[in-house]
Amino acid sequence: KAGVTQTPRYLIKTRGQQVTLSCSPISGHRSVSWYQQTPGQGLQFLFEYFSETQRNKGNFPGRFSGRQFSNSRSEMNVSTLELGDSALYLCASSLSGVGTDTQYFGPGTRLTVL
Amino acid sequence: AQSVAQPEDQVNVAEGNPLTVKCTYSVSGNPYLFWYVQYPNRGLQFLLKYITGDNLVKGSYGFEAEFNKSQTSFHLKKPSALVSDSALYFCAVRPLTSGTYKYIFGTGTRLKVLA
Repeated sequence: KAGVTQTPRYLIKTRGQQVTLSCSPISGHRSVSWYQQTPGQGLQFLFEYFSETQRNKGNFPGRFSGRQFSNSRSEMNVSTLELGDSALYLCASSLSGVGTDTQYFGPGTRLTVL
Repeated sequence: AQSVAQPEDQVNVAEGNPLTVKCTYSVSGNPYLFWYVQYPNRGLQFLLKYITGDNLVKGSYGFEAEFNKSQTSFHLKKPSALVSDSALYFCAVRPLTSGTYKYIFGTGTRLKVLA
């Protein structure tokens, strides 16, 4: 079974631009979560989607948004990029996100904002 | 507030020696507990989880973790460390409170196994 895939793997943007990251979950997984990883803050939860609905959201500004499609693929968008948005963005999928589910992570998208 | 603590930023151990990476948590109720490992420029890989039952959980690559409810700890262990075990290790908890669908991660512990 293929794992979680994320595209692109690397991205360089400038301040003020916007960016869209994509995540394809493991086949059959319907829950997709997004995390931001930085050296200073560690892993910070962004949001979680299930059946095209956002179920939970972390403490990030409204510039960070996401969506999930009917095939469970998810996208994350960051508008008006700031230098501090430079990070590794990780996507994780699980069957349902509840119960004894385990999250499985993708390789991440490394975003650099100049 | 719910939290996970990994008190050591880095753990150094000689190859062949046993290793322990510590994790304590503060959440209400009985959470599910997880360990993940991250190699350079990679995502997190699932190692093991504790749901219920035996306090000693066995996982991938020879790792195991011991759950201690009274100390709210979930330490990761391996009897004999390998140089290839050098990586960043994350402890995570998933609280079971209603409406919570997120994991809380510790800050990570860098394990360095010396040849």
